[in-house]
Amino acid sequence: GQQVMQIPQYQHVQEGEDFTTYCNSSTTLSNIQWYKQRPGGHPVFLIQLVKSGEVKKQKRLTFQFGEAKKNSSLHITATQTTDVGTYFCAGPSSNTGKLIFGQGTTLQVKP
Amino acid sequence: NAGVTQTPKFQVLKTGQSMTLQCAQDMNHEYMSWYRQDPGMGLRLIHYSVGAGITDQGEVPNGYNVSRSTTEDFPLRLLSAAPSQTSVYFCASSYSVGSYEQYFGPGTRLTVT
Repeated sequence: GQQVMQIPQYQHVQEGEDFTTYCNSSTTLSNIQWYKQRPGGHPVFLIQLVKSGEVKKQKRLTFQFGEAKKNSSLHITATQTTDVGTYFCAGPSSNTGKLIFGQGTTLQVKP
Repeated sequence: NAGVTQTPKFQVLKTGQSMTLQCAQDMNHEYMSWYRQDPGMGLRLIHYSVGAGITDQGEVPNGYNVSRSTTEDFPLRLLSAAPSQTSVYFCASSYSVGSYEQYFGPGTRLTVT
């Protein structure tokens, strides 16, 4: 079946370093969503990308959607301790439309 | 708006017991879903509903039942709890399926002994 894979599973960085997580789908996606889950919290929607090659920025976060609409990335510039958490990508199934979540990338930031 | 609410926040069950996890939303969303979250497994879809009276199975439905009698409420029933159902359960809602932002509830942490 359709799969959404994320790498890496875990990342430890020193505060101030950059961070990137990658998301790959086995099929073309109509759109991709990104969520953040703080430790002990629930996933919170960050952004949705729809167009091929789309790039969106939210302060220090940069989101990209691949040209083939099968991959995406989230890049954080100069990480801060507030960036700690798990970042999930999700895309709709081509068959059912239901969101399929990647396994998530857990970011730890050392102050 | 309260958004998506879930009760209880924590629950401990013995093997074989049954219980219902409650979920409600006040955003008039048609689409509601239940996920379980286990370490390293991401969010896995248990059941979902595209409107009152309509439910369907997700990726991991075994051992769980749902019903949707109103737009607001979407309870999840564990029929006979097993240790493998120890997990964190999230309810979510959105305007429609797939291409819309999902709003998650705060979660229920369930332990089955």
